[in-house]
Amino acid sequence: SQTIHQWPATLVQPVGSPLSLECTVEGTSNPNLYWYRQAAGRGLQLLFYSVGIGQISSEVPQNLSASRPQDRQFILSSKKLLLSDSGFYLCAWSPANRAYEQYFGPGTRLTVT
Amino acid sequence: DQQVKQNSPSLSVQEGRISILNCDYTNSMFDYFLWYKKYPAEGPTFLISISSIKDKNEDGRFTVFLNKSAKHLSLHIVPSQPGDSAVYFCAASARVSGNTPLVFGKGTRLSVIA
Repeated sequence: SQTIHQWPATLVQPVGSPLSLECTVEGTSNPNLYWYRQAAGRGLQLLFYSVGIGQISSEVPQNLSASRPQDRQFILSSKKLLLSDSGFYLCAWSPANRAYEQYFGPGTRLTVT
Repeated sequence: DQQVKQNSPSLSVQEGRISILNCDYTNSMFDYFLWYKKYPAEGPTFLISISSIKDKNEDGRFTVFLNKSAKHLSLHIVPSQPGDSAVYFCAASARVSGNTPLVFGKGTRLSVIA
């Protein structure tokens, strides 16, 4: 069966510091991968998605970036965090060409101070 | 432009009663709809889905109804239980588009009061 991992589970970072969140999927190959953010009291905002290694689509312009160095690894990064980057970050995966069948990871709570 | 709308940010229901969560969409290409349930500090989990060829899908206490002409779907939970208290997200897809991500609504927070 497939599993999705995210780490760290929680993170507290000062403004201006870098960020690296990691997501890995097991038990499948060539998945679509997604990064979402849920800000306090708000819905799910799609940040990035990827249909293959090195292929990243950005949905919202911001100071975050994403990379997919391996088939089942998706990384969310920032060079300098802003206070507004605080939120709950979710990674998700779906089978290739079946984006309607999406599964979420446990999430990372990021607090920028 | 919000293609999937959940106009009620919150809903409060007595335990044992019916909970009805609503969702509207604007894109006629959507042909598959899902409901996800999310507890605080956890990832959303898939709850139930419906294809546009159906108007109802039932799974235990959960039923989703689809009205294509009105571009409206609803999730019914009967009977509601305190453990159902969570945020519910409606999502839509045009499956022919293959890799196009799901479009989510902003969610409805359901509180079931014992």
